[in-house]
Amino acid sequence: GAVVSQHPSRVICKSGTSVKIECRSLDFQATTMFWYRQFPKQSLMLMATSNEGSKATYEQGVEKDKFLINHASLTLSTLTVTSAHPEDSSFYICSARLPGNTGELFFGEGSRLTVL
Amino acid sequence: AQSVTQLGSHVSVSEGALVLLRCNYSSSVPPYLFWYVQYPNQGLQLLLKYTSAATLVKGINDFEAEFKKSETSFHLTKPSAHMSDAAEYFCAVRGSNYKLTFGKGTLLTVNP
Repeated sequence: GAVVSQHPSRVICKSGTSVKIECRSLDFQATTMFWYRQFPKQSLMLMATSNEGSKATYEQGVEKDKFLINHASLTLSTLTVTSAHPEDSSFYICSARLPGNTGELFFGEGSRLTVL
Repeated sequence: AQSVTQLGSHVSVSEGALVLLRCNYSSSVPPYLFWYVQYPNQGLQLLLKYTSAATLVKGINDFEAEFKKSETSFHLTKPSAHMSDAAEYFCAVRGSNYKLTFGKGTLLTVNP
């Protein structure tokens, strides 16, 4: 199957700093990627849809100025958590949509953010 | 709008026993349905998907699921559980623009 890679897998930062998480589709071009947030022992919550070459579409209740998404190329989307606070600590997962009618999604390995 | 309900946040079975994880969905359009597995601190791996073809869908690792429109269900089964099946399982329904709505997940424990 297609491969989606996230980096870093774990990051610890101080409160007030910004953290960037990368999501790459390694063997296909993804015009659409999705960013999810997962709290411990809970389901995945869609944060935003990242579209190559255009602005991301955020879900209701997600602060776009807090969670900056850039999809500058067909294989890379980045999520930047700006001025991170302890409540931003979470597991962030991206997925990339395979081109074509099936539109199957492939998920990255996830990135665990801990804000001290 | 789409929604998914997974009955049972935790299912425990013995090794070699039948696995049954329940999923009911609500969808305003003919649904595309998915089952994913998540191991600790990892992303999601697709087990199987229903895309309006055969109602009985076979996936990886001997998992299968049956789409029942009359019951709005898409339950996941496996004839014989292995220890390696212990993980979190998510049912999902696809909405517009390929967005997935996930259920709350079911943690499967396999006892020796």
